[in-house]
Amino acid sequence: GQSLEQPSEVTAVEGAIVQINCTYQTSGFYGLSWYQQHDGGAPTFLSYNALDGLEETGRFSSFLSRSDSYGYLLLQELQMKDSASYFCAVSSDNYGQNFVFGPGTRLSVLP
Amino acid sequence: GAGVSQSPSNKVTEKGKDVELRCDPISGHTALYWYRQSLGQGLEFLIYFQGNSAPDKSGLPSDRFSAERTGGSVSTLTIQRTQQEDSAVYLCASSSDPAPTDTQYFGPGTRLTVL
Repeated sequence: GQSLEQPSEVTAVEGAIVQINCTYQTSGFYGLSWYQQHDGGAPTFLSYNALDGLEETGRFSSFLSRSDSYGYLLLQELQMKDSASYFCAVSSDNYGQNFVFGPGTRLSVLP
Repeated sequence: GAGVSQSPSNKVTEKGKDVELRCDPISGHTALYWYRQSLGQGLEFLIYFQGNSAPDKSGLPSDRFSAERTGGSVSTLTIQRTQQEDSAVYLCASSSDPAPTDTQYFGPGTRLTVL
């Protein structure tokens, strides 16, 4: 089977840094994506890692270690608007057919 | 340009009725995905279309669910004889190339409530 694990909830204060971890067990692996979803909204793409290492996009960075089947999303200088659910997703083939989402991590940013 | 659109935005139906959900992907996007999201849960993959190829139906939860994509563009997801456990938000996403390298763009979803 294929499974992804994420913490269910994370709480942090404005201006802080938070890391959301994702571990996966899949039959294949081509890349790890992160999506953000505000309450009542649609998921929106944040980042994608196919190779080991850190990808930085503004306040958000994403890390991947394929040997550890592990990745994380790092959010810096947290803002209230970052309160949302964050999903990791694994592409387990190169044809777009096997795309599995994690259960999501609900981030609450406090003033 | 316009994003992914879905209709209706909300649908309330009685148990046993059939429903049809519609997705208009971004123009030119060849890949189209349907997902289901129950309250507070992650996204459950349902079905994937790539161009005019036969769809990958491996995620459909039962034979009451079916989907088609006409002309490689608009897609409809049909649920026959709806059950209360079908209540969820149904999300459609499209991408210009199949994942994993390309971003999926999601529509606003259809919230289905089966009474």
